[in-house]
Amino acid sequence: DVKVTQSSRYLVKRTGEKVFLECVQDMDHENMFWYRQDPGLGLRLIYFSYDVKMKEKGDIPEGYSVSREKKERFSLILESASTNQTSMYLCASSYGDRGRVKGNYGYTFGSGTRLTVV
Amino acid sequence: QKEVEQNSGPLSVPEGAIASLNCTYSDRGSQSFFWYRQYSGKSPELIMFIYSNGDKEDGRFTAQLNKASQYVSLLIRDSQPSDSATYLCAVRGFGNEKLTFGTGTRLTIIP
Repeated sequence: DVKVTQSSRYLVKRTGEKVFLECVQDMDHENMFWYRQDPGLGLRLIYFSYDVKMKEKGDIPEGYSVSREKKERFSLILESASTNQTSMYLCASSYGDRGRVKGNYGYTFGSGTRLTVV
Repeated sequence: QKEVEQNSGPLSVPEGAIASLNCTYSDRGSQSFFWYRQYSGKSPELIMFIYSNGDKEDGRFTAQLNKASQYVSLLIRDSQPSDSATYLCAVRGFGNEKLTFGTGTRLTIIP
């Protein structure tokens, strides 16, 4: 069964801590994504990567960074956690369509990490 | 105007009836379209994707796409209480590796 695995289901961190969220996929997907999901705001893209060592900012990158040293692993880093970063964090991966249309280029999501910053 | 719009609901449907979920999008160059189901406290799960005009059926689910009118819909036949969830519409634009999501429609199936 193909999987996107997020390292923690629940995390509680203190304000100012550096926080690492890990995501690993076993589907050989080129693309990986980090979203946060908050009530009433939907899914918001933080960062994404379409290749090893490549990254692009999403809609809300402030306060976050990412690392992709290997194809299967995409890490989200909160440089100095703040209470407004309390949220559900979702990792996703997909095949890179490279201009093709047909086929399933949708995301597979991990189970999510609910982060609380106190 | 939002790029992908959905009625937030809640949409209440009696058990056994057809649930109809709608989504409109603004980018005429959009190529492919996805429906995700998300149970409360869980992550989204892909249930259908479509890229050609017309209908695509999978079990009790039918996705409908009309590119001229820029809408995509999801029909759920013989609705079950287990179908109660939030349904997210997502759209992929031309040459775009990312999906743009709507904010979701909350569906409740009433026994």
